Amino acid sequence: AQSVAQPEDQVNVAEGNPLTVKCTYSVSGNPYLFWYVQYPNRGLQFLLKYITGDNLVKGSYGFEAEFNKSQTSFHLKKPSALVSDSALYFCAVRDGPGGNNRLAFGKGNQVVVIP
Amino acid sequence: KAGVTQTPRYLIKTRGQQVTLSCSPISGHRSVSWYQQTPGQGLQFLFEYFSETQRNKGNFPGRFSGRQFSNSRSEMNVSTLELGDSALYLCASSLNWDLPLNEQFFGPGTRLTVL
Repeated sequence: AQSVAQPEDQVNVAEGNPLTVKCTYSVSGNPYLFWYVQYPNRGLQFLLKYITGDNLVKGSYGFEAEFNKSQTSFHLKKPSALVSDSALYFCAVRDGPGGNNRLAFGKGNQVVVIP
Repeated sequence: KAGVTQTPRYLIKTRGQQVTLSCSPISGHRSVSWYQQTPGQGLQFLFEYFSETQRNKGNFPGRFSGRQFSNSRSEMNVSTLELGDSALYLCASSLNWDLPLNEQFFGPGTRLTVL
Protein backbone atom coordinates (compact mmCIF):
# COMPACT_ATOMS: atom_id res chain seq x y z
CA ALA A 1 0.00 0.00 0.00
CA GLN A 2 1.07 3.56 -0.60
CA SER A 3 1.88 5.68 2.42
CA VAL A 4 3.15 9.06 3.51
CA ALA A 5 4.96 10.11 6.65
CA GLN A 6 4.97 13.48 8.34
CA PRO A 7 7.85 13.27 10.82
CA GLU A 8 7.07 16.32 12.93
CA ASP A 9 4.08 16.75 15.21
CA GLN A 10 4.18 20.52 15.41
CA VAL A 11 5.91 23.24 13.47
CA ASN A 12 6.37 26.63 15.10
CA VAL A 13 7.33 29.59 12.98
CA ALA A 14 7.38 33.35 13.46
CA GLU A 15 5.08 35.41 11.31
CA GLY A 16 6.89 36.55 8.18
CA ASN A 17 9.39 33.71 8.27
CA PRO A 18 9.46 30.85 5.76
CA LEU A 19 7.28 27.87 6.59
CA THR A 20 8.14 24.28 5.70
CA VAL A 21 6.04 21.22 6.49
CA LYS A 22 7.76 17.94 5.71
CA CYS A 23 6.35 14.86 4.00
CA THR A 24 8.00 11.72 2.68
CA TYR A 25 6.25 9.09 0.63
CA SER A 26 6.46 5.40 -0.15
CA VAL A 27 4.77 4.24 -3.33
CA SER A 28 4.98 1.60 -5.99
CA GLY A 29 4.55 3.20 -9.35
CA ASN A 30 3.87 6.87 -9.98
CA PRO A 31 3.23 8.99 -6.92
CA TYR A 32 0.11 11.11 -6.89
CA LEU A 33 0.55 13.43 -3.93
CA PHE A 34 -1.67 16.00 -2.27
CA TRP A 35 -1.61 18.57 0.52
CA TYR A 36 -4.69 19.51 2.51
CA VAL A 37 -5.22 21.97 5.37
CA GLN A 38 -7.76 21.70 8.17
CA TYR A 39 -8.91 24.60 10.31
CA PRO A 40 -10.64 23.99 13.67
CA ASN A 41 -14.10 22.47 13.32
CA ARG A 42 -13.79 22.45 9.55
CA GLY A 43 -13.28 19.84 6.88
CA LEU A 44 -10.15 19.54 4.81
CA GLN A 45 -9.34 22.13 2.18
CA PHE A 46 -7.31 21.20 -0.88
CA LEU A 47 -4.03 23.11 -1.27
CA LEU A 48 -2.19 21.48 -4.15
CA LYS A 49 -1.31 18.24 -5.90
CA TYR A 50 1.60 16.68 -7.74
CA ILE A 51 0.82 14.78 -10.90
CA THR A 52 3.89 14.82 -13.08
CA GLY A 53 6.14 17.34 -14.71
CA ASP A 54 7.47 20.32 -12.79
CA ASN A 55 8.90 19.45 -9.43
CA LEU A 56 7.71 22.75 -7.96
CA VAL A 57 3.94 22.81 -7.61
CA LYS A 58 2.10 26.02 -6.82
CA GLY A 59 -1.15 25.95 -4.93
CA SER A 60 -3.67 27.99 -3.02
CA TYR A 61 -3.01 30.76 -0.48
CA GLY A 62 0.62 31.21 -1.55
CA PHE A 63 1.65 27.65 -0.77
CA GLU A 64 3.91 25.56 -2.95
CA ALA A 65 5.43 22.12 -2.68
CA GLU A 66 8.64 20.64 -3.95
CA PHE A 67 8.63 17.09 -5.27
CA ASN A 68 11.97 15.31 -4.88
CA LYS A 69 12.07 11.84 -6.36
CA SER A 70 15.53 10.91 -5.09
CA GLN A 71 14.59 11.81 -1.52
CA THR A 72 10.97 10.60 -1.90
CA SER A 73 9.81 13.85 -0.39
CA PHE A 74 7.01 16.33 -1.05
CA HIS A 75 7.57 19.20 1.38
CA LEU A 76 5.05 22.03 1.63
CA LYS A 77 6.45 25.55 1.70
CA LYS A 78 5.37 29.13 2.06
CA PRO A 79 7.87 31.98 1.74
CA SER A 80 6.27 34.18 4.39
CA ALA A 81 3.96 32.69 7.02
CA LEU A 82 0.82 34.45 8.27
CA VAL A 83 -0.87 34.00 11.63
CA SER A 84 -3.92 32.80 9.69
CA ASP A 85 -1.83 29.87 8.37
CA SER A 86 -2.03 28.30 11.82
CA ALA A 87 -3.85 25.02 11.18
CA LEU A 88 -3.43 21.26 10.76
CA TYR A 89 -1.72 20.21 7.53
CA PHE A 90 -2.05 16.78 5.94
CA CYS A 91 0.01 15.17 3.23
CA ALA A 92 -1.76 12.42 1.27
CA VAL A 93 -1.09 9.93 -1.49
CA ARG A 94 -3.54 8.23 -3.76
CA ASP A 95 -3.71 4.70 -2.45
CA GLY A 96 -4.33 1.88 -4.84
CA PRO A 97 -4.28 1.16 -8.51
CA GLY A 98 -6.65 2.07 -11.23
CA GLY A 99 -9.50 4.44 -10.96
CA ASN A 100 -10.15 5.25 -7.38
CA ASN A 101 -10.07 8.31 -5.19
CA ARG A 102 -8.89 6.57 -2.05
CA LEU A 103 -6.33 8.66 -0.20
CA ALA A 104 -3.85 7.57 2.46
CA PHE A 105 -3.09 10.46 4.80
CA GLY A 106 -0.16 11.26 7.02
CA LYS A 107 -0.77 11.90 10.71
CA GLY A 108 -0.84 15.64 10.17
CA ASN A 109 1.29 18.52 11.32
CA GLN A 110 0.05 21.27 13.58
CA VAL A 111 1.45 24.56 12.35
CA VAL A 112 1.61 27.44 14.82
CA VAL A 113 2.52 30.84 13.44
CA ILE A 114 3.65 33.15 16.22
CA PRO A 115 2.81 36.85 15.83
CA LYS B 1 -21.57 26.50 -6.44
CA ALA B 2 -22.46 25.05 -3.07
CA GLY B 3 -19.86 22.88 -1.38
CA VAL B 4 -20.19 19.47 0.16
CA THR B 5 -22.83 19.41 2.87
CA GLN B 6 -23.05 16.95 5.70
CA THR B 7 -25.89 16.45 8.14
CA PRO B 8 -26.14 16.46 11.01
CA ARG B 9 -23.06 18.39 12.13
CA TYR B 10 -23.11 16.98 15.63
CA LEU B 11 -24.56 13.79 17.02
CA ILE B 12 -24.59 12.15 20.42
CA LYS B 13 -25.51 8.50 20.73
CA THR B 14 -25.14 5.75 23.30
CA ARG B 15 -23.43 2.42 22.93
CA GLY B 16 -25.44 -0.15 21.03
CA GLN B 17 -27.44 2.37 19.05
CA GLN B 18 -27.13 2.89 15.34
CA VAL B 19 -26.60 6.10 13.42
CA THR B 20 -27.02 7.36 9.86
CA LEU B 21 -24.97 10.22 8.46
CA SER B 22 -25.77 12.04 5.25
CA CYS B 23 -23.61 13.67 2.61
CA SER B 24 -24.62 15.76 -0.40
CA PRO B 25 -21.77 16.17 -2.90
CA ILE B 26 -21.04 19.21 -4.99
CA SER B 27 -23.50 19.50 -7.85
CA GLY B 28 -22.25 17.43 -10.77
CA HIS B 29 -19.88 15.33 -8.68
CA ARG B 30 -20.61 11.64 -8.88
CA SER B 31 -18.05 10.10 -6.55
CA VAL B 32 -18.39 10.22 -2.78
CA SER B 33 -15.82 8.97 -0.28
CA TRP B 34 -16.06 8.69 3.48
CA TYR B 35 -13.25 9.05 6.02
CA GLN B 36 -13.05 8.68 9.78
CA GLN B 37 -10.84 11.09 11.71
CA THR B 38 -9.75 10.37 15.28
CA PRO B 39 -6.87 11.75 17.35
CA GLY B 40 -5.32 8.31 17.69
CA GLN B 41 -5.70 6.86 14.20
CA GLY B 42 -5.79 10.04 12.14
CA LEU B 43 -7.68 10.01 8.86
CA GLN B 44 -8.76 6.60 7.68
CA PHE B 45 -10.59 5.70 4.50
CA LEU B 46 -13.97 4.03 4.98
CA PHE B 47 -15.44 3.56 1.48
CA GLU B 48 -16.06 5.17 -1.87
CA TYR B 49 -19.19 5.18 -3.99
CA PHE B 50 -19.73 5.97 -7.63
CA SER B 51 -22.90 5.46 -9.62
CA GLU B 52 -24.61 3.90 -6.61
CA THR B 53 -21.93 1.20 -6.38
CA GLN B 54 -19.27 0.76 -3.74
CA ARG B 55 -15.95 0.94 -5.57
CA ASN B 56 -13.54 0.77 -2.66
CA LYS B 57 -13.63 -0.25 0.96
CA GLY B 58 -11.27 0.38 3.83
CA ASN B 59 -10.45 -1.88 6.76
CA PHE B 60 -13.47 -1.31 8.93
CA PRO B 61 -15.84 -3.89 10.41
CA GLY B 62 -19.12 -4.73 8.79
CA ARG B 63 -20.93 -2.48 11.26
CA PHE B 64 -19.92 0.34 8.95
CA SER B 65 -21.92 0.46 5.75
CA GLY B 66 -22.97 2.98 3.19
CA ARG B 67 -24.94 3.60 0.08
CA GLN B 68 -25.33 6.10 -2.68
CA PHE B 69 -28.50 7.28 -4.30
CA SER B 70 -29.21 8.09 -7.93
CA ASN B 71 -28.73 11.81 -7.23
CA SER B 72 -25.20 11.01 -5.89
CA ARG B 73 -26.15 11.78 -2.30
CA SER B 74 -24.66 9.27 0.08
CA GLU B 75 -25.37 7.94 3.53
CA MET B 76 -23.25 5.95 5.88
CA ASN B 77 -24.58 3.84 8.69
CA VAL B 78 -22.90 2.56 11.81
CA SER B 79 -24.73 -0.12 13.75
CA THR B 80 -24.16 -1.28 17.30
CA LEU B 81 -22.14 1.76 18.20
CA GLU B 82 -19.01 1.42 20.31
CA LEU B 83 -17.17 4.07 22.30
CA GLY B 84 -14.33 3.88 19.79
CA ASP B 85 -16.62 5.02 16.99
CA SER B 86 -16.53 8.53 18.41
CA ALA B 87 -14.91 10.53 15.65
CA LEU B 88 -15.27 13.19 13.01
CA TYR B 89 -16.73 11.60 9.89
CA LEU B 90 -15.76 13.39 6.72
CA CYS B 91 -17.34 13.09 3.33
CA ALA B 92 -15.49 14.03 0.15
CA SER B 93 -16.81 14.43 -3.34
CA SER B 94 -15.05 14.39 -6.66
CA LEU B 95 -16.10 14.62 -10.23
CA ASN B 96 -15.53 11.07 -11.35
CA TRP B 97 -14.26 7.77 -10.08
CA ASP B 98 -12.02 6.85 -12.99
CA LEU B 99 -9.95 10.03 -13.00
CA PRO B 100 -7.47 9.32 -10.23
CA LEU B 101 -6.02 12.79 -10.21
CA ASN B 102 -9.32 14.32 -9.21
CA GLU B 103 -9.23 16.74 -6.39
CA GLN B 104 -11.47 15.71 -3.55
CA PHE B 105 -13.57 18.36 -1.87
CA PHE B 106 -14.37 17.72 1.74
CA GLY B 107 -17.42 18.62 3.76
CA PRO B 108 -17.28 20.08 7.29
CA GLY B 109 -17.83 16.67 8.83
CA THR B 110 -20.21 15.13 11.33
CA ARG B 111 -18.91 14.97 14.90
CA LEU B 112 -20.20 11.73 16.43
CA THR B 113 -19.90 11.20 20.16
CA VAL B 114 -20.76 7.79 21.59
CA LEU B 115 -21.49 7.70 25.33
